[in-house]
Amino acid sequence: EVQLVESGGGLVQPGGSLRLSCAASGFTFSSYSMNWVRQAPGKGLEWVSYISSSSSTIYYADSVKGRFTISRDNAKNSLYLQMNSLRAEDTAVYYCARKCIGTTYFDYWGQGTLVTVSS
Amino acid sequence: SYVLTQPPSVSVAPGQTARITCGGNNIGSKSVHWYQQKPGQAPVLVVYDDSDRPSGIPERFSGSNSGNTATLTISRVEAGDEADYYCQVWDSSSDHFYVFGTGTKVTVL
Repeated sequence: EVQLVESGGGLVQPGGSLRLSCAASGFTFSSYSMNWVRQAPGKGLEWVSYISSSSSTIYYADSVKGRFTISRDNAKNSLYLQMNSLRAEDTAVYYCARKCIGTTYFDYWGQGTLVTVSS
Repeated sequence: SYVLTQPPSVSVAPGQTARITCGGNNIGSKSVHWYQQKPGQAPVLVVYDDSDRPSGIPERFSGSNSGNTATLTISRVEAGDEADYYCQVWDSSSDHFYVFGTGTKVTVL
């Protein structure tokens, strides 16, 4: 069974940093591209970042470019999101999502971790 | 950037058909995917590549895509279908490579 479990969320002050993790199991993690998608309270889904299976290709949404860094450790079956210079508008539930191979959709999602940026 | 527009809400009686539209410039040339999200839960893929269903998704869920509009159709609506629905495409020219629609709340009367 495919499982994605996020952790690392919490309350952080504006300008602060936080590192999210996503532990994957039930599939060959090193074969799949992964993504972070966020959802602000009461709002819609917003794609944040993409990393290819080998980490050779990385994309960011303009809203986080230069502040967030996506990475992965295939030996540990883990995905990460380092978030720096956090702003109030970064407050959201952050989901990790697996991209189905050879496609443009996300076939499995974690349950999400809440990040709150507030003083 | 590429924009996908959905109606904020759709209301439907049990047993009837709900249609949720997703408008975008020449969206018919793209592959459209649909997600269902119930309160407090993660999104679940219900239709991919315009009209295909993942295993475990009822045949009541179907999709189409042409011109500037993609449509998710839920036939014989059940109370358990009440949720938010999002369309999604990939657009390499956008500042968000993976673009989500604005979302539609489906209410079962």
